[in-house]
Amino acid sequence: GEDVEQSLFLSVREGDSSVINCTYTDSSSTYLYWYKQEPGAGLQLLTYIFSNMDMKQDQRLTVLLNKKDKHLSLRIADTQTGDSAIYFCAETMDSSYKLIFGSGTRLLVRP
Amino acid sequence: DAGVTQSPTHLIKTRGQQVTLRCSPKSGHDTVSWYQQALGQGPQFIFQYYEEEERQRGNFPDRFSGHQFPNYSSELNVNALLLGDSALYLCASSPTGDSYEQYFGPGTRLTVT
Repeated sequence: GEDVEQSLFLSVREGDSSVINCTYTDSSSTYLYWYKQEPGAGLQLLTYIFSNMDMKQDQRLTVLLNKKDKHLSLRIADTQTGDSAIYFCAETMDSSYKLIFGSGTRLLVRP
Repeated sequence: DAGVTQSPTHLIKTRGQQVTLRCSPKSGHDTVSWYQQALGQGPQFIFQYYEEEERQRGNFPDRFSGHQFPNYSSELNVNALLLGDSALYLCASSPTGDSYEQYFGPGTRLTVT
């Protein structure tokens, strides 16, 4: 079935690394995404990874995909207060264009 | 380069009324998807429009309908509003019909009283 799960909350100190985790249940996932949502705003596409890749790096962001465990993570290096937001993991599946989202992880960056 | 735009920003309606929300895709994009985001939850897919046709639909009742115009802009219509329809409605556009990238607008906050 279609299910994407995330932990609800993460708190880190400014300058530390943040790791946000996500698990999905469907092995036919095609692409996996990370979106960022700030209060009162829409979703910003941060990065995405094709399901046949293990890792993708883009500046401070590193995405790791473990297909065997159906686990996706987003690492933010040198976390800043401006990174405080809700982070959503999402997937698409074969022959489908809809994004299936998790419930989001609220990241709080403490000064 | 304008991103995805949506109107109105906020809307208050009464139960039983009808509402129309509007979306203009990012320049150069031809595919539009609509999502409903209830408070504290992730967005839920309503439907996607490509070449002026609904080509995929999520688990939403027929009260939710849409349209895509020749200039690729789109409307979401909801009839017979229920209190449970209160949510943030998000529009996303994609560069082509085959693209898996979706870029979101700021959303329309609908409150049903």
